[in-house]
Amino acid sequence: AQSVTQLDSQVPVFEEAPVELRCNYSSSVSVYLFWYVQYPNQGLQLLLKYLSGSTLVKGINGFEAEFNKSQTSFHLRKPSVHISDTAEYFCAVSGRGSQGNLIFGKGTKLSVKP
Amino acid sequence: SAVISQKPSRDICQRGTSLTIQCQVDSQVTMMFWYRQQPGQSLTLIATANQGSEATYESGFVIDKFPISRPNLTFSTLTVSNMSPEDSSIYLCSVEKVPGGAYEQYFGPGTRLTVT
Repeated sequence: AQSVTQLDSQVPVFEEAPVELRCNYSSSVSVYLFWYVQYPNQGLQLLLKYLSGSTLVKGINGFEAEFNKSQTSFHLRKPSVHISDTAEYFCAVSGRGSQGNLIFGKGTKLSVKP
Repeated sequence: SAVISQKPSRDICQRGTSLTIQCQVDSQVTMMFWYRQQPGQSLTLIATANQGSEATYESGFVIDKFPISRPNLTFSTLTVSNMSPEDSSIYLCSVEKVPGGAYEQYFGPGTRLTVT
């Protein structure tokens, strides 16, 4: 079984500042890792994913994440945030071979202030 | 990618009644999923719906409460039966795509259900 921990429930940050949203996971098998974004009153949109290969993954809207197997982490970063990045961000994991069953973290609310 | 629509987008229902949520995809997919997002919480998988077979339910969810239909490769319904206020949540459907072998899961906009 897998589990996901998002260490920060809320992250306030000023516009144009860098941001890191933290995600740790646990699993007894190899995993796929994902970050989703949910804008207010909308569904989830895939930001980026790690399946295999390079541990640094680039996604949409200037976000990137790094898979660290030894630390079982998959932190999301953006060097300079915009007001429009205000949303809730979910980290998710699935075990290889059981891709359909995404296990989500509790989410991190990113608030970008002018 | 996949474009997913859900109906209704939101509803307010009385306890004891049932609501059927529809999920339509713009392309044929093998696997469809139903999730629940309770207020202030993360998403929890309710069940997996494959066309031509019975839905597979996760621990804590039962068919009598959440019956699912999957009549074809582009459509599914989830019914929330005998509702109580605890069923107030956002219900989302999702589909699995494997473009070029790269696994992705896409989500619909959700159905916001309030039970009074």
